[in-house]
Amino acid sequence: QSVLTQPPSASGTPGQRVTISCSGSSSNIGKNAVNWYQQFPGTAPKLVLYNNSERPSGVPDRFSGSKSGTSASLAISGLQSGDEADYHCATWDDSLNGLVFGGGTKLTVL
Amino acid sequence: EVQLVESGGGLVKPGGSLRLSCVASGLTISNDWMTWVRQAPGKGLEWVGRVKTKADGGTTDYAASVRGRFTMSWEDSKNTLYLQINNLKTEDAAVYYCHTSPDYWGQGTLVTVSS
Repeated sequence: QSVLTQPPSASGTPGQRVTISCSGSSSNIGKNAVNWYQQFPGTAPKLVLYNNSERPSGVPDRFSGSKSGTSASLAISGLQSGDEADYHCATWDDSLNGLVFGGGTKLTVL
Repeated sequence: EVQLVESGGGLVKPGGSLRLSCVASGLTISNDWMTWVRQAPGKGLEWVGRVKTKADGGTTDYAASVRGRFTMSWEDSKNTLYLQINNLKTEDAAVYYCHTSPDYWGQGTLVTVSS
């Protein structure tokens, strides 16, 4: 059972916009910035958003993020087949004194 | 270019021990906050713990699920981070990644726990 809650799956067709949610609590998302990671099967995760909505160099602006209260979301616009991957949210939890992750969302491009 | 390379995984019996290594190039291990993250087969990511820089005291923090059984340390001369895992449980079976900011990951090393 993950501390952060994500939907197990999401899907969209090429060109569509999809949103993945990440729900937490006042001790984690409510107080700290959220990062989002993209992970392809058999590979290490890759950071696609940090500090809720900042994109690392090289990540297309089709990826955007937001945070409100104890929830955060990742949006991918202009969906492409290459976006099909698992997406994980993460943030620090002040009560647990540790980094916490969501359970991951498998994004399928139909 | 920064590279992290993990090794040391394998098949271990419950109750056994293992030491994972993460060899770094392109950065100095003890000058960066280093983290271990694991991923059980078909599951999400789980933070294992972190060690702060030497300048920050080299203190460690661990997830509750591993506290008391897992220990992180460095060996400066080899620029290597270690994760000592004792009293292995079946739920410790996972791919273990070392990680440091902004976004450097190793390829992972697989730990299997089975009798």
